[in-house]
Amino acid sequence: GAVVSQHPSRVICKSGTSVKIECRSLDFQATTMFWYRQFPKQSLMLMATSNEGSKATYEQGVEKDKFLINHASLTLSTLTVTSAHPEDSSFYICSARAGGGDNSPLHFGNGTRLTVT
Amino acid sequence: TQLLEQSPQFLSIQEGENLTVYCNSSSVFSSLQWYRQEPGEGPVLLVTVVTGGEVKKLKRLTFQFGDARKDSSLHITAAQTGDTGLYLCAGDISNFGNEKLTFGTGTRLTIIP
Repeated sequence: GAVVSQHPSRVICKSGTSVKIECRSLDFQATTMFWYRQFPKQSLMLMATSNEGSKATYEQGVEKDKFLINHASLTLSTLTVTSAHPEDSSFYICSARAGGGDNSPLHFGNGTRLTVT
Repeated sequence: TQLLEQSPQFLSIQEGENLTVYCNSSSVFSSLQWYRQEPGEGPVLLVTVVTGGEVKKLKRLTFQFGDARKDSSLHITAAQTGDTGLYLCAGDISNFGNEKLTFGTGTRLTIIP
């Protein structure tokens, strides 16, 4: 079945540094990928929609200069958390839809737990 | 404002019991999905419902989509410890097929052996 891989699974960084998270579709092409963040004991909140070859679309309240998204190929989207602060510590999850249509399955990566110290 | 409210937020029951989780919204969804998420992992799709009034069964799990496509329920029969996890409903309210999902508030289910 379709697989979405995220890397790294865990990362600890110091405040003020930047962290890049990769999301790959391993056996299918994804023109669109989605990035979510999830705080402990809470649900997933959509941050942005990553579009291959064009700018990402950010949800209201998400700083595009803080969370840089690059979708340079049909199988890779990256999320860079710039100048990270402790409040950016969270579980970041990407997803991609295999196949066309809004009823086709949405496959999720296993997430990246970011801890900013 | 959370568009999709799930209830209960937390549920802890004995193995073998039955339970129902609800997902409610004031918005109409073109489709609605249920996911289960284990700690430290991404959500895994359980089912997609599309038609109002639709009922789908997945072994001991029964999913129902409301007639008006604003709500859904998940019923688990004879719960097992392996059912423990975070259950999330998610829907596309855009009706434009732009693939954006809004997730519910989540129900954390614990099955006690």
